[in-house]
Amino acid sequence: EDKVVQSPLSLVVHEGDTVTLNCSYEVTNFRSLLWYKQEKKAPTFLFMLTSSGIEKKSGRLSSILDKKELFSILNITATQTGDSAIYLCAVMKTSYDKVIFGPGTSLSVIP
Amino acid sequence: DVKVTQSSRYLVKRTGEKVFLECVQDMDHENMFWYRQDPGLGLRLIYFSYDVKMKEKGDIPEGYSVSREKKERFSLILESASTNQTSMYLCASRRWTGGEEKLFFGSGTQLSVL
Repeated sequence: EDKVVQSPLSLVVHEGDTVTLNCSYEVTNFRSLLWYKQEKKAPTFLFMLTSSGIEKKSGRLSSILDKKELFSILNITATQTGDSAIYLCAVMKTSYDKVIFGPGTSLSVIP
Repeated sequence: DVKVTQSSRYLVKRTGEKVFLECVQDMDHENMFWYRQDPGLGLRLIYFSYDVKMKEKGDIPEGYSVSREKKERFSLILESASTNQTSMYLCASRRWTGGEEKLFFGSGTQLSVL
């Protein structure tokens, strides 16, 4: 059975801290892994990763994929209160098939 | 920008009612998805559709059905709503051809079944 696991499930940090969010997967016919940020409404797209070892960066956020060990990490440096959100990891498959989400990591950044 | 529109932001229904949740996308996407999101459980796939009149069950289809008569519209139907269907419902769409794979989400419908 396809599975996406995220850890930790929740995290509280102080502004300025660096955090690492983890996503591991067991999925047949892997195509790509995606990260989303969800505040109050619709999840918004952060990164799509298809190749191992290539870091994607956007400001203070970065992510990398390891297809051999079947995991990805999302790093956030110098956290701000605006980073408080649920971070979702999802895996897409190669066929006309479902997109599988992990349970999400709830991040709270306190001043 | 792609727009995915869900018809209602909040809905309150009574047990046993038939409920329709509507989702419309404006970018000619082939794939559309319905998820429900519950605390601690993340997004769970109810149904998806890879083209008009095509539908596939997701992980938790029981108690739900769907309709995709036109490419832009994907409807989720609760034939007889129950209290355990109280949840946030998220619709998403994706273009399959051309390698653009990311999902675009609607703003969600918070459904309460009393």
